[in-house]
Amino acid sequence: GAVVSQHPSRVICKSGTSVKIECRSLDFQATTMFWYRQFPKQSLMLMATSNEGSKATYEQGVEKDKFLINHASLTLSTLTVTSAHPEDSSFYICSALPYASGGRYEQYFGPGTRLTVT
Amino acid sequence: KQEVTQIPAALSVPEGENLVLNCSFTDSAIYNLQWFRQDPGKGLTSLLLIQSSQREQTSGRLNASLDKSSGRSTLYIAASQPGDSATYLCAVTPDFSGGYNKLIFGAGTRLAVHP
Repeated sequence: GAVVSQHPSRVICKSGTSVKIECRSLDFQATTMFWYRQFPKQSLMLMATSNEGSKATYEQGVEKDKFLINHASLTLSTLTVTSAHPEDSSFYICSALPYASGGRYEQYFGPGTRLTVT
Repeated sequence: KQEVTQIPAALSVPEGENLVLNCSFTDSAIYNLQWFRQDPGKGLTSLLLIQSSQREQTSGRLNASLDKSSGRSTLYIAASQPGDSATYLCAVTPDFSGGYNKLIFGAGTRLAVHP
């Protein structure tokens, strides 16, 4: 149980285009989903927290107009990188917090999406 | 502001050795602490989660301990195998006063176990 999927797993796009990444909780409903970014040989940095039906909360330094997050349902959140540039190339990982976590507050992570902007 | 530090940054050992990976955090007001494994180019696999009221958790050859008051956790790997080679990440969830939904990660320990 507690499986989170991401699609696509890998995407290459041209500079200036937009890319959408999907994060789905497959066997549970998620109150909250999180988006992280990871640069090579570095740890995960939280970009934003999204709750179903409300606006995402962005971490300091993350441009909300560039990284659009939509949490349309309790099982789906999307991250759209708008007008992507080479410096946006990174590994993007989502996680989901189950609606009924039993007090554990344990996030379940997706497999990640490798974005390369040329 | 909560900060998580992991030592060592990298470790290379021969197969069969017992290992200790260290994690420290600056604010003891945590809800839980997790250890994850990450293989190159992959997502995170949760290994162990320790609630703030617990002292340790065990899963197979892995044992994680937590000393909340001193801000430390250790991950003990017994009888290491080449398949254990990966990056190990420690992360804390701050308690309710500190934004309990957020995970704060350390930089990780890159482990290489050679035959």
